[in-house]
Amino acid sequence: NAGVTQTPKFRILKIGQSMTLQCTQDMNHNYMYWYRQDPGMGLKLIYYSVGAGITDKGEVPNGYNVSRSTTEDFPLRLELAAPSQTSVYFCASSYGGELYAEAFFGQGTRLTVV
Amino acid sequence: AQTVTQSQPEMSVQEAETVTLSCTYDTSESDYYLFWYKQPPSRQMILVIRQEAYKQQNATENRFSVNFQKAAKSFSLKISDSQLGDAAMYFCAYNSNYQLIWGAGTKLIIKP
Repeated sequence: NAGVTQTPKFRILKIGQSMTLQCTQDMNHNYMYWYRQDPGMGLKLIYYSVGAGITDKGEVPNGYNVSRSTTEDFPLRLELAAPSQTSVYFCASSYGGELYAEAFFGQGTRLTVV
Repeated sequence: AQTVTQSQPEMSVQEAETVTLSCTYDTSESDYYLFWYKQPPSRQMILVIRQEAYKQQNATENRFSVNFQKAAKSFSLKISDSQLGDAAMYFCAYNSNYQLIWGAGTKLIIKP
């Protein structure tokens, strides 16, 4: 069972470079999320999507962009990398937005901006 | 502001003993769910247990149980018969308006 797959697992970027973090899920989930996890902190929501073609900002969206052209894929784009974006990024999905819905996570991408 | 507080950055327990991880939260909503997630060194986030705010009965999943005190806004996790595989970061979270609000986590160390 693949679940939620993120690539790459690790990446080093130079300041000002751009990159796309890929996320795909094979569970036919409508809801997908991008979180970042800074050391000693919980996860913070960057963007989320409730279905193909629909995205919305979370708590910390600045410096990021997303798109959702298919149910399966939800890439996260960093346009001009900054040291403040050094973090571990998690993609997650859930079947619905119900309060009880369990979120399934990818294994994360450790990004370092130097 | 909606917040989740885990006041124990690190806890340690002897193998086979019981440990309790604390979590408090602040919300004005009347219906919500609370979750405990486990994050082992592999970084994979795994759901451990969930609790509906309307249910008075505490949730239980095998060796994991919660002590949910709604009035006090407290949601602690009890792990019985601790095993080496329980070593991980544990995060408390609650579901609010399409997103999970997370605590900072507690690192659990299991001593053999």
